[in-house]
Amino acid sequence: GAGVSQSPRYKVAKRGQDVALRCDPISGHVSLFWYQQALGQGPEFLTYFQNEAQLDKSGLPSDRFFAERPEGSVSTLKIQRTQQEDSAVYLCASSPRGPHNSPLHFGNGTRLTVT
Amino acid sequence: KQEVTQIPAALSVPEGENLVLNCSFTDSAIYNLQWFRQDPGKGLTSLLLIQSSQREQTSGRLNASLDKSSGRSTLYIAASQPGDSATYLCAVFMDSNYQLIWGAGTKLIIKP
Repeated sequence: GAGVSQSPRYKVAKRGQDVALRCDPISGHVSLFWYQQALGQGPEFLTYFQNEAQLDKSGLPSDRFFAERPEGSVSTLKIQRTQQEDSAVYLCASSPRGPHNSPLHFGNGTRLTVT
Repeated sequence: KQEVTQIPAALSVPEGENLVLNCSFTDSAIYNLQWFRQDPGKGLTSLLLIQSSQREQTSGRLNASLDKSSGRSTLYIAASQPGDSATYLCAVFMDSNYQLIWGAGTKLIIKP
């Protein structure tokens, strides 16, 4: 596709359920980021992949959060045993080269609501 | 720890005015600074990227400046239009890691 695609667009989960959020970056993009955005706030960094390698996962808030990009393209963010504080918009972004030298292209996000 | 602040939090101006949005950061060890636009329910669109060695970047009616030593950036919008209404966020890439640190944004409303 022409841009970064995220699915699902909206997800409602009951507390304690596991969820999986998908990101399809722009084809050929090396860098992939996940961010979490609470209402009225700027995004917060979660994790960074360069191709299939997860180079920084320091932003993942707990061990319930797990991200992978096994073939260096599609990425999945998994949240186990969801809690109400996990409710947020989860944004994926990709860039064609390393993380510092090119603009990021963002998807429209997945809005997760935990009830 | 890097902190990014944007002032004002919200701004409403009549169409046609020139305006300035402000961004400040506490740690000058940045690799670059970026300005983004976010429309309701949408992702973020990159507007301008300024490398730490640069002073400004221009794209159409937008001009962004960077004063790294004082920890400040401004986004200048000329001849504002209703279509410019959105939330504008600035973010800095740190030298030391892969993390973009974000401000909370300025919500801009341009009145026709």
